[in-house]
Amino acid sequence: DADVTQTPRNRITKTGKRIMLECSQTKGHDRMYWYRQDPGLGLQLIYYSFDVKDINKGEISDGYSVSRQAQAKFSLSLESAIPNQTALYFCATSEAGADTQYFGPGTRLTVL
Amino acid sequence: AQRVTQPEKLLSVFKGAPVELKCNYSYSGSPELFWYVQYSRQRLQLLLRHISRESIKGFTADLNKGETSFHLKKPFAQEEDSAMYYCALLDTGRRALTFGSGTRLQVQP
Repeated sequence: DADVTQTPRNRITKTGKRIMLECSQTKGHDRMYWYRQDPGLGLQLIYYSFDVKDINKGEISDGYSVSRQAQAKFSLSLESAIPNQTALYFCATSEAGADTQYFGPGTRLTVL
Repeated sequence: AQRVTQPEKLLSVFKGAPVELKCNYSYSGSPELFWYVQYSRQRLQLLLRHISRESIKGFTADLNKGETSFHLKKPFAQEEDSAMYYCALLDTGRRALTFGSGTRLQVQP
């Protein structure tokens, strides 16, 4: 089945550590997104990419960076993790020209 | 700035009762709105979008531009409808979604 996968699913790290969250998709979609969800809040856009050479910031990109290694892969990095980055992180994809987004299962990140 | 508001964190109804999950939006352009749902231990998935004007799993949602609302309705709730529901508004520039904070629907037997 064509799918969106995220690794790791859970991660506990310490303040100041660099951490990478990975997203892979087999849907063949050009567009990929990273969202963050805090308890009691909706998802907020961190970064998005319309193709391999196109990377754009979302509303809450400070403290994050991304890499679009291939059409199928979009990684999110926290250069120096801090406790208020503790959240649930979702990757999503969509086809160019269509706006339905397909979500990964999420990564639960805890920064101590 | 665009915004989506879901005023209820939790909505609890009995099986067979009508359901209305509220969603209000703020957007200067022509809105494109969606409802996403997350069932227990499943990933977030599209339930319906307003341009499709479909009924999915018995749910419908009508865009009311005058009231800037996109409420989700179902005439007779089922236990399997219990889930977290998110209203979302498309940012037509970024083609990304602005989400509301979600409403948890509990359908009791």
